[in-house]
Amino acid sequence: AQKITQTQPGMFVQEKEAVTLDCTYDTSDQSYGLFWYKQPSSGEMIFLIYQGSYDEQNATEGRYSLNFQKARKSANLVISASQLGDSAMYFCAMSRDTGNQFYFGTGTSLTVIP
Amino acid sequence: EAQVTQNPRYLITVTGKKLTVTCSQNMNHEYMSWYRQDPGLGLRQIYYSMNVEVTDKGDVPEGYKVSRKEKRNFPLILESPSPNQTSLYFCASSHLWGNEQFFGPGTRLTVL
Repeated sequence: AQKITQTQPGMFVQEKEAVTLDCTYDTSDQSYGLFWYKQPSSGEMIFLIYQGSYDEQNATEGRYSLNFQKARKSANLVISASQLGDSAMYFCAMSRDTGNQFYFGTGTSLTVIP
Repeated sequence: EAQVTQNPRYLITVTGKKLTVTCSQNMNHEYMSWYRQDPGLGLRQIYYSMNVEVTDKGDVPEGYKVSRKEKRNFPLILESPSPNQTSLYFCASSHLWGNEQFFGPGTRLTVL
């Protein structure tokens, strides 16, 4: 069963607008971590933001924020004031207490339009 | 500079010819992991290691081996590669399990 689901294969956003990339997860663990990574066309994986399951406040890192809704099991990434350099593939990932594995979603391709 | 290095970056080989992809990190990280990335499937974990001499299977371990004899190195071994192992491979490390992972630049493998 999919542990991480990203339902948006592709998204478009106008430059300077905000965009939300969806991510839902599946776990019965009490302790887990949620991550977002960016993969530009050059191929490297860049860590963006982390949210722990016990963190009560939504994580923020500059223009990135993670909209964490625990009851809904969602961890959406919000990018504010989109820039052309934000065009990339974005992956949601989870680490669970049970086992020591990481699970990645299938990714969302974001294109920022000038 | 703190980094994860992988070699080779690109490799074309033939079915059945054993190969090793090296991975090394200079951050003294305990946790290391291998992933493969395929279109439409995202990244899938192959093997991971919590520390020296401690390795375990991820979601797609068939056809792969790993070893962790030293903390800094975590090679991925394909004893008898097959075309379905054609993929982009990433090595990653983190200080502890559950922390953010630092990724290597990737190795693009083609098995003919």
